[in-house]
Amino acid sequence: NAGVMQNPRHLVRRRGQEARLRCSPMKGHSHVYWYRQLPEEGLKFMVYLQKENIIDESGMPKERFSAEFPKEGPSILRIQQVVRGDSAAYFCASSPRLIGGAEETQYFGPGTRLLVL
Amino acid sequence: AQTVTQSQPEMSVQEAETVTLSCTYDTSESDYYLFWYKQPPSRQMILVIRQEAYKQQNATENRFSVNFQKAAKSFSLKISDSQLGDAAMYFCAYRSAAGGAQKLVFGQGTRLTINP
Repeated sequence: NAGVMQNPRHLVRRRGQEARLRCSPMKGHSHVYWYRQLPEEGLKFMVYLQKENIIDESGMPKERFSAEFPKEGPSILRIQQVVRGDSAAYFCASSPRLIGGAEETQYFGPGTRLLVL
Repeated sequence: AQTVTQSQPEMSVQEAETVTLSCTYDTSESDYYLFWYKQPPSRQMILVIRQEAYKQQNATENRFSVNFQKAAKSFSLKISDSQLGDAAMYFCAYRSAAGGAQKLVFGQGTRLTINP
């Protein structure tokens, strides 16, 4: 069973460009989470999605950032008009569908390192 | 809002010795989950161990064990017989058990160095 896949692993953008980060959850997982890690810091929650639904976007900046998890295909985190402060590692995690409310562990992908020049 | 604090930015230990990493958290909830994740130089986040708050018994996974003190809101990680491959950043994380609450709240991390 393949783990969580993220691509690209490294992404370089110039200020003002768009960045698209992709995440394919583990097989059988229908919950996706995005986290951001600034240099020398812990991970910060951005958004939680299920198929075709955004469940919690309380950690997402109000402007320029958007996320989706379509019925088919990977989850996409999109950053428009990138600025230098967007340079960070972006991690995706997935977990299985909750059954009876049981807790499910989140499994992380390898991350995408975004560098904005 | 819940917060997680790791007060040790860096720790070091001799190979084969035991080391304990500290973590405290702040919450008003009674039911939640706690995790330790390891981030080696590859920066992959790897789950080390997890603890359900309703369980009094401390979780163990091979050389890794926790000391969960619910009243003190403390959740330390003990690594026994340290190995060179244990060198990494270690993050403590909290997750509410409330319905629909799925996000992990992470501490700032502790960088663990293993001295040969």
